[in-house]
Amino acid sequence: EAAVTQSPRNKVAVTGGKVTLSCNQTNNHNNMYWYRQDTGHGLRLIHYSYGAGSTEKGDIPDGYKASRPSQENFSLILELATPSQTSVYFCASGGGGASSNERLFFGHGTKLSVL
Amino acid sequence: GMPVEQNPPALSLYEGADSGLRCNFSTTMKSVQWFQQNHRGRLITLFYLAQGTKENGRLKSTFNSKERYSTLHIKDAQLEDSGTYFCAAESPSGSWQLIFGSGTQLTVMP
Repeated sequence: EAAVTQSPRNKVAVTGGKVTLSCNQTNNHNNMYWYRQDTGHGLRLIHYSYGAGSTEKGDIPDGYKASRPSQENFSLILELATPSQTSVYFCASGGGGASSNERLFFGHGTKLSVL
Repeated sequence: GMPVEQNPPALSLYEGADSGLRCNFSTTMKSVQWFQQNHRGRLITLFYLAQGTKENGRLKSTFNSKERYSTLHIKDAQLEDSGTYFCAAESPSGSWQLIFGSGTQLTVMP
């Protein structure tokens, strides 16, 4: 079973501060994804990656950067955090295949509060 | 065992058939969500349930916290229903964290 580990589990940040959320996967998956979940919006895709060195914009990339320095690690970076970025963030990895049929493995989430 | 066990891992149906997916939980969960994977990485929320049953068109979902399971029933399957479906459960410990099932890859055949 693929393991996807997010850190930190909880983060409190100040407005204007820099926040980095980390995600590590141990199943050698090419694809990795960052989502945020908010009431009424479901899981929205922020950024994703096809492999080391690749980052792609998802549906709501504004205010976020992503970094994929290696196959295992995919970070989500908030250079200037704002209260509107208070949310729960999920990371997932996937082994590829047809886009609607890829099996995704999720981390347990990171709760970010921006004050 | 796994806190969220989703079955079956894969399912093939002919158009017009009915079938169901199920998630069993190792402990009492506070709520459950069902998602359908759309295009690359996109997840559509199908249902959010804290209890009981909800219907939406050809889809129906039930969550029984006491019995520790949730189901997603698809009626009159269509080709566009093909894709991967996930359940995700929230534990009652006050945590906001979701625990995802491993997904069901549904193929609807003409």
